[in-house]
Amino acid sequence: RKEVEQDPGPFNVPEGATVAFNCTYSNSASQSFFWYRQDCRKEPKLLMSVYSSGNEDGRFTAQLNRASQYISLLIRDSKLSDSATYLCVVPKGRDTGRRALTFGSGTRLQVQP
Amino acid sequence: DAGVIQSPRHEVTEMGQEVTLRCKPISGHDYLFWYRQTMMRGLELLIYFNNNVPIDDSGMPEDRFSAKMPNASFSTLKIQPSEPRDSAVYFCASRTSGSYEQYFGPGTRLTVT
Repeated sequence: RKEVEQDPGPFNVPEGATVAFNCTYSNSASQSFFWYRQDCRKEPKLLMSVYSSGNEDGRFTAQLNRASQYISLLIRDSKLSDSATYLCVVPKGRDTGRRALTFGSGTRLQVQP
Repeated sequence: DAGVIQSPRHEVTEMGQEVTLRCKPISGHDYLFWYRQTMMRGLELLIYFNNNVPIDDSGMPEDRFSAKMPNASFSTLKIQPSEPRDSAVYFCASRTSGSYEQYFGPGTRLTVT
């Protein structure tokens, strides 16, 4: 099983729609999770961190289901500017205090007018 | 504050040539990461440093790749000799030891013909 798996999409949604992405991870010891956003031909940037059951920031909600080992990202009231690739990210390996991150392959979102 | 700085932004070279990519992390960040991104394989961690010391280089594809960090403000990734399959975007990222959030540079788009 891959460390992180995501549906590549693309998800094509109209403005104002609600869209959700799921991500599954294999390392049951992971305690923290992240969603990064990557615009076309740009670098990834942190969107949200998830350390417990979930996190909400405006129109964005991230939820964690430890039993099923998946993380979701919900975007409400989609804007054209939300069009990007969303990367699910988990720390690598066991907690050694010097951990790197494993990035999923990303889910592409296209919001249409 | 300046973010992570990478140079060059674009590099086109012929197969067999040596390529050197450069990175200046954010001042005060003690972790530095080198990634490679392709459509087929997504974002892959190549190597990372903590306090200028390489911690994990298991992602370096083969001996043609080498990375150094001679001081806290500079790192290089070298490919010698380069091959067409090395064509990708190479990102450098840095972070502090107190956070998982990584800050990415703008990337170097490498094309090997």
